[in-house]
Order: sequence, then structure tokens, then C-alpha cells
Amino acid sequence: AQSVTQPDIHITVSEGASLELRCNYSYGATPYLFWYVQSPGQGLQLLLKYFSGDTLVQGIKGFEAEFKRSQSSFNLRKPSVHWSDAAEYFCAVVPMDSSYKLIFGSGTRLLVRP
Amino acid sequence: NAGVTQTPKFRVLKTGQSMTLLCAQDMNHEYMYWYRQDPGMGLRLIHYSVGEGTTAKGEVPDGYNVSRLKKQNFLLGLESAAPSQTSVYFCASRQGSEGVGTEAFFGQGTRLTVV
Repeated sequence: AQSVTQPDIHITVSEGASLELRCNYSYGATPYLFWYVQSPGQGLQLLLKYFSGDTLVQGIKGFEAEFKRSQSSFNLRKPSVHWSDAAEYFCAVVPMDSSYKLIFGSGTRLLVRP
Repeated sequence: NAGVTQTPKFRVLKTGQSMTLLCAQDMNHEYMYWYRQDPGMGLRLIHYSVGEGTTAKGEVPDGYNVSRLKKQNFLLGLESAAPSQTSVYFCASRQGSEGVGTEAFFGQGTRLTVV
């Protein structure tokens, strides 16, 4: 079945440590790929997106993500986490064969230790 | 530059009452969506629209109806609210299906409690 999977429900990191949030998708053709962030009580903000080309994409707030076709993954990374990065992060896809859809993973909540 | 605006932001309903949530976008986007967000379940698509006058069911459409009479507005209706519809509702819009048009913009959400 077509799906977007974020295997980690919660992740806790210390401020200044590196971060990697995992996202895997299951679609026949590589979909458009996105990461969104949701701060408490807020709507969703786009961090970055991948359509084609360079597999390492840069986003806002110092985030980057790497697309790996062989692993059907689009993991989000940040070299040094700040306390303000504490939020919920969602991976999302637009499938190529049904491009009117926008499908989200279940989210990963990031907690940052001082 | 309003983007996507949802009204109301908060609402408490009694079981069996009806209400309509309004989503308005000023970006001339073709596609609009209604999601609900529940803890541990991410965002689940309720209904969507690919243009004025069109609507379609998403993953969890039961108990909801929608209308898109004007391109800029997408209304979500609850005819007879149930406690299971307690959730945070998000509206989103995007220009289209190709390339940069796939980026979605979100409203701030509506927190609905059904008692």
C-alpha cells in the first residue's frame, strides 16, 4: 500500500547536538517530497522540498534533507539543534500518479534538552 | 498578505449540533484541503477540492460535508457533531500539481471540542 512512514514518534536531543529525523515512503514512482514543521499551537510551515535533481536539499532554519532512492527515504537533518527547534515535524508526499493529493506521515515530536 | 485564513479559531459544540468551518485563501490557488489532526495520527485528509465547484472525499470523510462555491473559499460542515470529531482542523491550499505549485500553505487551525 502507498504510505509515508515516520518511524520515530518522539526524539529527544541535547541542544547543540545533531539531529536526524527519518521518513520513508512507499510509492511506485518517486513522489514530490516535503518536510513541514509545526510549533505548538501553530499551523504548518514548509522547511524544504524535493522535486528532482540534487539529492541533498537545503531548507530554512539550517535544516537539510537527503533523498535516497535506493532506500525510499527522505531524512531530515540539522548539524546543531537549538532549543527553538522543539516542535513536531511532518514528512509529506505528493504522489506522481495522483498529484492532487498531499499525504502526511504521522509526525515526529522533537524535544530539546538544555 | 493573509495567505490561508480559518475561522473560527476555537469552538465548543454540544453533541448533535451543527457548524461550518470557513477557509479562505487569497493566493488564487486551485487546490484546497481539509485535514484533521489527532495525537499520534498526523494529519488525515477529510475532503479536498481541485477547483471551484469540485469536491472529493479523502481518507476520513464520514460525518463531514464540504462546498467550494467560490475559488477562494472552502467550507467544512459538520451536520450533527459527535465527540469523535473533537480535533484540530487545518485547511491548506496550493496552486497545482506540478513543480513549485505543489507547495502547500496552511491556516492556523481550528480547535473544535464536542461535548
